[in-house]
Amino acid sequence: AQSVTQPDIHITVSEGASLELRCNYSYGATPYLFWYVQSPGQGLQLLLKYFSGDTLVQGIKGFEAEFKRSQSSFNLRKPSVHWSDAAEYFCAVALRSNDYKLSFGAGTTVTVRA
Amino acid sequence: AAGVIQSPRHLIKEKRETATLKCYPIPRHDTVYWYQQGPGQDPQFLISFYEKMQSDKGSIPDRFSAQQFSDYHSELNMSSLELGDSALYFCASRIGLDEQYFGPGTRLTVT
Repeated sequence: AQSVTQPDIHITVSEGASLELRCNYSYGATPYLFWYVQSPGQGLQLLLKYFSGDTLVQGIKGFEAEFKRSQSSFNLRKPSVHWSDAAEYFCAVALRSNDYKLSFGAGTTVTVRA
Repeated sequence: AAGVIQSPRHLIKEKRETATLKCYPIPRHDTVYWYQQGPGQDPQFLISFYEKMQSDKGSIPDRFSAQQFSDYHSELNMSSLELGDSALYFCASRIGLDEQYFGPGTRLTVT
């Protein structure tokens, strides 16, 4: 079955420390891959996306993600976390065959401690 | 740059009432998607339209219907509202091989 998995429900990280959020997908073909961030009660903001090409993708707010085909993964990283990075992070995938509709992972809540 | 507009931003309805949510896509975007995000949940795809025709349908209740009009705006109509319909409803638009651009969402509360 097609699925998007974010193994970590909740991550707590100290301000200034590095952050890595995991995302794995199970699809027959390589989907288009996205990371979104959502603050409580707010909308979805796109951090970065991967369609093709360079497997290391740079996004906004200092985030980057690496696509690894062999591991069916698209992990999100940030070298130094700021308190404002506390939010919910969603990995999402889309397929051309599915009219590019997005399927989201369950999300990872990031808490930043001072 | 123009963004996706959703109205209203907040809506409070009672059980068994009806609600209409509106979405105005980015100009020239030809595809519109609707998603529902329940409390503490990830967004779930409801329905999509391409060039005013329904292109895909997800887990949308029969009580809900939607359409896209000639000016490309879309409306999600929800009838016989239930408490479980309380959620954030997002609209997104897209053109070609590009990302979806999300609106700010409509928060529906059913009491």
